[in-house]
Amino acid sequence: EPEVTQTPSHQVTQMGQEVILRCVPISNHLYFYWYRQILGQKVEFLVSFYNNEISEKSEIFDDQFSVERPDGSNFTLKIRSTKLEDSAMYFCASRTGGSNYGYTFGSGTRLTVV
Amino acid sequence: EDQVTQSPEALRLQEGESSSLNCSYTVSGLRGLFWYRQDPGKGPEFLFTLYSAGEEKEKERLKATLTKKESFLHITAPKPEDSATYLCAVVWNTGKLIFGQGTTLQVKP
Repeated sequence: EPEVTQTPSHQVTQMGQEVILRCVPISNHLYFYWYRQILGQKVEFLVSFYNNEISEKSEIFDDQFSVERPDGSNFTLKIRSTKLEDSAMYFCASRTGGSNYGYTFGSGTRLTVV
Repeated sequence: EDQVTQSPEALRLQEGESSSLNCSYTVSGLRGLFWYRQDPGKGPEFLFTLYSAGEEKEKERLKATLTKKESFLHITAPKPEDSATYLCAVVWNTGKLIFGQGTTLQVKP
C-alpha cells in the first residue's frame, strides 16, 4: 500500500537554528499538507499546498515557516529560526483531490528544540 | 466557531467489554468526518470516512456511525491490541482537517 514517507523521524536542534523536515507524498496525490501535534494537544493544521503554491495557512504558519516542493516528489517544511515552542510532532499528509478527502498521513518527525 | 469535541478523554475497558466513543461537531456544511487510530509516536492511521447522516461503516471490531451532530465509534469485544488514541476529524470547506483532542483507549487483558 502506498505510503507517505517522512525524514528524519526525530530531530534535535538548538533554538534559533534552521530545520528542514522532509516528506515524500504518494506519487499520484495532488494536495499536500503539514500538521503538527504538540505533546498532549490536538493535531493542528499548518498549511496546505496545491499546484505548486500555498492554498491555505493557519495563524501558526508565520514568516518563520515555509514550504517547498522542489522536484515534484519531495515536499519540505522549513522553520528558519526555531523556538522552544516549535517542539512537536510534525505530520505530512497528502490526498488525491476533488471530492476525495481521503488523507494519508506520514509517521511524523519529532522535532525537539533545546 | 467550528469545533470538534471528543469524549471521554480516556477510557479503560476490560478485554471483551464493549463501549462507544463520541465525537460531536459544530461545522457548517459537513464534507466528511474521519476516524483515525494513533499509536504512540506514530501518525494517524485511517479507519473510516463518513459523509452523511445515517451512514455506518464497519471494520473488524469497530463500527462508526454518523448523525447530524455527532459520530460514534463503537468497539465490540475489544482486545488489548485495540489500545490506542482514536481521533475524530471533520473536513473544513477548504479541505483541511479539524481534529478533536482524541480518546485514549486502554484495553486490559
